[in-house]
Amino acid sequence: AQSVTQPDIHITVSEGASLELRCNYSYGATPYLFWYVQSPGQGLQLLLKYFSGDTLVQGIKGFEAEFKRSQSSFNLRKPSVHWSDAAEYFCAVGGDGNKLVFGAGTILRVKS
Amino acid sequence: DVKVTQSSRYLVKRTGEKVFLECVQDMDHENMFWYRQDPGLGLRLIYFSYDVKMKEKGDIPEGYSVSREKKERFSLILESASTNQTSMYLCASSSSSLGQFFGPGTRLTVL
Repeated sequence: AQSVTQPDIHITVSEGASLELRCNYSYGATPYLFWYVQSPGQGLQLLLKYFSGDTLVQGIKGFEAEFKRSQSSFNLRKPSVHWSDAAEYFCAVGGDGNKLVFGAGTILRVKS
Repeated sequence: DVKVTQSSRYLVKRTGEKVFLECVQDMDHENMFWYRQDPGLGLRLIYFSYDVKMKEKGDIPEGYSVSREKKERFSLILESASTNQTSMYLCASSSSSLGQFFGPGTRLTVL
């Protein structure tokens, strides 16, 4: 069965510091992988997606993610965090990008 | 840009009431989804639809039904609302491998 694990419920980083949010997935075939961001009281916005090809994908707002098949991971990174990045982040996996399974989310707090 | 709209941002209903949540997308997407979101549980799929008049159960369909009479509109129905259905409800649409696009959500409170 498909599943997504985001091991960190909360993460706090200082503004300007680097960020890595972890995501591990379980999927029987080649996965489609996504990262979404949700600001308080809002819907989810797609940050980036991986389907095939280059395992390092670039997204919006300066985010990137790396697909590592051997580790079943798709971690999200940003070299320098801004206060406006404070939000909840969701990793998701699916077979064709249509029906997805989401992780429980990681809440990012940014301290000044 | 894809736009997914939901009929209400906030809704308060009483136990036993019939509740309709409406979702409309403007990008001619084949697929539409309804999720509920609760703290610590992430998004859980209630129902989805791959075509007009077609529906499939997701992971937590109990207590809900859906209707898709037109391609752009997907309705979630709570036949008899209960307090344990108090939640944030999110609608999404997708086409091929583009990923899902979400509406702003409806925060439903059942008293």
